[in-house]
Amino acid sequence: GAVVSQHPSRVICKSGTSVKIECRSLDFQATTMFWYRQFPKQSLMLMATSNEGSKATYEQGVEKDKFLINHASLTLSTLTVTSAHPEDSSFYICSARNLAGGRETQYFGPGTRLLVL
Amino acid sequence: AQSVTQLDSHVSVSEGTPVLLRCNYSSSYSPSLFWYVQHPNKGLQLLLKYTSAATLVKGINGFEAEFKKSETSFHLTKPSAHMSDAAEYFCVVSSMKTSYDKVIFGPGTSLSVIP
Repeated sequence: GAVVSQHPSRVICKSGTSVKIECRSLDFQATTMFWYRQFPKQSLMLMATSNEGSKATYEQGVEKDKFLINHASLTLSTLTVTSAHPEDSSFYICSARNLAGGRETQYFGPGTRLLVL
Repeated sequence: AQSVTQLDSHVSVSEGTPVLLRCNYSSSYSPSLFWYVQHPNKGLQLLLKYTSAATLVKGINGFEAEFKKSETSFHLTKPSAHMSDAAEYFCVVSSMKTSYDKVIFGPGTSLSVIP
């Protein structure tokens, strides 16, 4: 089946640094990818929708200058947390939408756990 | 607009007894519905999905769900709970209207299985 990978799986960084998280669809092309954030014991909250070749669409309350999204190809979207602070520590999950054959299928990455010291 | 409600934030069952996790949705278009499971400190695993085919959907690990349009429900069931079923379960709704439609997660139901 289709696989979505995320790299890194875990990252620890100092406050003030920037962290880039990659999301790749390994065996299909994804014109749309999504970025989610999950705090401990909470549901996933959609942060933004990443569209290949165009600007990302951010959900209300998500700072686009802090969470930079780039969807440069049909198999790669990146999320950069700029000037990270401890409150940005969270579990970040991406998903890729596969519309092949006219049937929508959503594949989730394994997540990236970010800890900002 | 789309939304998902999971009526129970926490469900506790004894091992070997049936599991029922409730989900109600709201969607302006014919929805796609999913159930995902998340074990502690792990990623999401797809249990099953409904995409306008058979209303009774069978998934992995003995789970199944029934799409009831009249009740706007998509409850998840399993005849006999196993200890390994203890996890967080998310009901998810999406629409096929356009490629820009969002996937909306429910708040989740935490399932505990008592030995």
